[in-house]
Amino acid sequence: SAVISQKPSRDICQRGTSLTIQCQVDSQVTMMFWYRQQPGQSLTLIATANQGSEATYESGFVIDKFPISRPNLTFSTLTVSNMSPEDSSIYLCSVGVGSYNEQFFGPGTRLTVL
Amino acid sequence: KNQVEQSPQSLIILEGKNCTLQCNYTVSPFSNLRWYKQDTGRGPVSLTIMTFSENTKSNGRYTATLDADTKQSSLHITASQLSDSASYICVVSAFLDMRFGAGTRLTVKP
Repeated sequence: SAVISQKPSRDICQRGTSLTIQCQVDSQVTMMFWYRQQPGQSLTLIATANQGSEATYESGFVIDKFPISRPNLTFSTLTVSNMSPEDSSIYLCSVGVGSYNEQFFGPGTRLTVL
Repeated sequence: KNQVEQSPQSLIILEGKNCTLQCNYTVSPFSNLRWYKQDTGRGPVSLTIMTFSENTKSNGRYTATLDADTKQSSLHITASQLSDSASYICVVSAFLDMRFGAGTRLTVKP
């Protein structure tokens, strides 16, 4: 298993600003993932962050809007840039562990953009 | 069209009752199927994970079934408790590619 923490747990931001979300894991993992969960919806994968390489983004998500860092095997950040109210969501990081890539999720960051 | 469909969208039951949540999928090739519980304001927590050869798996009062031929899974909750109130998400994997269902919102009332 893996224990994951995220900071901040929630934030209220003004449109046009940026927020960086931190994700810390208690063990070294190869694959980390960032998800968005809009109100009442299920999770949507934003990108996969692997240490030592650029993140791989899913269709509809771009690096300029959601830059990701992965400086080591236990830490990653996701930045939500130039925010608009449509970016109001819960952002979750997760890690894949084991041969079945079982996903363990962080507690999420609840973002509200005014 | 979502490749993982869950039903019902929401469900209200009385404490102590049983319930069954459904998950139908079209994801192919199939690697594994997981059920997650997500409490409000929290990240999803894994309940069960099943591979192609597994038909049923239990985790306490939660029992998941899988029929890989019909591409259906169910999550049965026995003797529900108030703490079971949450969203239950079915996730089907084709190797590293995961598809999320929209979830079933369960409310258990006293």
